[in-house]
Amino acid sequence: KQEVTQIPAALSVPEGENLVLNCSFTDSAIYNLQWFRQDPGKGLTSLLLIQSSQREQTSGRLNASLDKSSGRSTLYIAASQPGDSATYLCAVRRSSNTGKLIFGQGTTLQVKP
Amino acid sequence: EAGVAQSPRYKIIEKRQSVAFWCNPISGHATLYWYQQILGQGPKLLIQFQNNGVVDDSQLPKDRFSAERLKGVDSTLKIQPAKLEDSAVYLCASSFGTSMSGELFFGEGSRLTVL
Repeated sequence: KQEVTQIPAALSVPEGENLVLNCSFTDSAIYNLQWFRQDPGKGLTSLLLIQSSQREQTSGRLNASLDKSSGRSTLYIAASQPGDSATYLCAVRRSSNTGKLIFGQGTTLQVKP
Repeated sequence: EAGVAQSPRYKIIEKRQSVAFWCNPISGHATLYWYQQILGQGPKLLIQFQNNGVVDDSQLPKDRFSAERLKGVDSTLKIQPAKLEDSAVYLCASSFGTSMSGELFFGEGSRLTVL
């Protein structure tokens, strides 16, 4: 059974700092991995999607990496801003035959001005 | 492009009452999902539709939850009777075409409080 874990559960950093959020999964046989952002009381916004054949994806100040063999993904946020404060969730898809995502519990990030 | 629409945004009911949530996916998206997100946890898939057919409802508590997508467009999720542990945010998501590998787009969710 696939399990997804995100550590730490919460993180507080000063503005301008570079930071890394971690995501680990127990079954390396995944199809893709997706990082989402969730603001309080809101739905999920997709940030980056990495196919299993890819090593990383970049969008602006965000960079996500994937190491299938070790069951790990990281989300790197450069030059953090107060507007980055939110909960970040990672989710894995097992295969192309299913649309089901298995989510981690999320990391709540606070960026202090 | 309009996003995934959900209503109502908030609902408070007493236990044993019933509630229904509505979702309209992004136009042209064939696949629709309902997820349940309990406070402090990641979302959990309840049911997945492809057009108007059910693909996966293995984690749907069928004794009290039901969902339909009659015309392959919008969908309704119903809970009857509600329990305290059903308090959660119910998220609807959709993805393009019939491919299972497409990126998911989520609505803002319907927050249910059961008293």
